[in-house]
Amino acid sequence: SQQGEEDPQALSIQEGENATMNCSYKTSINNLQWYRQNSGRGLVHLILIRSNEREKHSGRLRVTLDTSKKSSSLLITASRAADTASYFCATGGQGAGSYQLTFGKGTKLSVIP
Amino acid sequence: DADVTQTPRNRITKTGKRIMLECSQTKGHDRMYWYRQDPGLGLRLIYYSFDVKDINKGEISDGYSVSRQAQAKFSLSLESAIPNQTALYFCATSDQGLAGGPMSEQFFGPGTRLTVL
Repeated sequence: SQQGEEDPQALSIQEGENATMNCSYKTSINNLQWYRQNSGRGLVHLILIRSNEREKHSGRLRVTLDTSKKSSSLLITASRAADTASYFCATGGQGAGSYQLTFGKGTKLSVIP
Repeated sequence: DADVTQTPRNRITKTGKRIMLECSQTKGHDRMYWYRQDPGLGLRLIYYSFDVKDINKGEISDGYSVSRQAQAKFSLSLESAIPNQTALYFCATSDQGLAGGPMSEQFFGPGTRLTVL
């Protein structure tokens, strides 16, 4: 079963606005990753945050991780039409679960020009 | 050239047929994975392999089998396809990550769209 649950399922914003997506998970993790998928294509890795990190930046992306709440958020600043895609969080577990990534169902982001 | 390639990109087949999906990678990674994606859902792991002699079942392995022919090649077979195996299939690779196995980023192929009639 999928561990990560993204929220909202769909998000529509105007170009230039910020987009925030959230991910909640259930069990302890080693790291949490965010991926982007353009329609019908393969996933592209965006950013990885380890369980001992609280915030990470990459260009216009900002990811936070709160292990006490078992949640993460992805912020895309100054959105562009090209950011239109589905965004998935994926968790890398601990112990036996550390050898797999478990993906959520994704947030579908639409950026309107 | 793409680092992770999948063939075919699209396939339509009939119930009961045997189908093989192939994946090749030039990234030099030891770890390879097969996922399926259904509309509105995330990816679910079918099988994974950490080296040529290592094959492991994922969350939804029933009805599927795999073969790791070489470090660079990992194929997925549907022995007798059924309509509910209609989905988008992705191959992915990763390196070994940190000692102890914490999962590093994965690199995905473009996907194979499979339709079983």
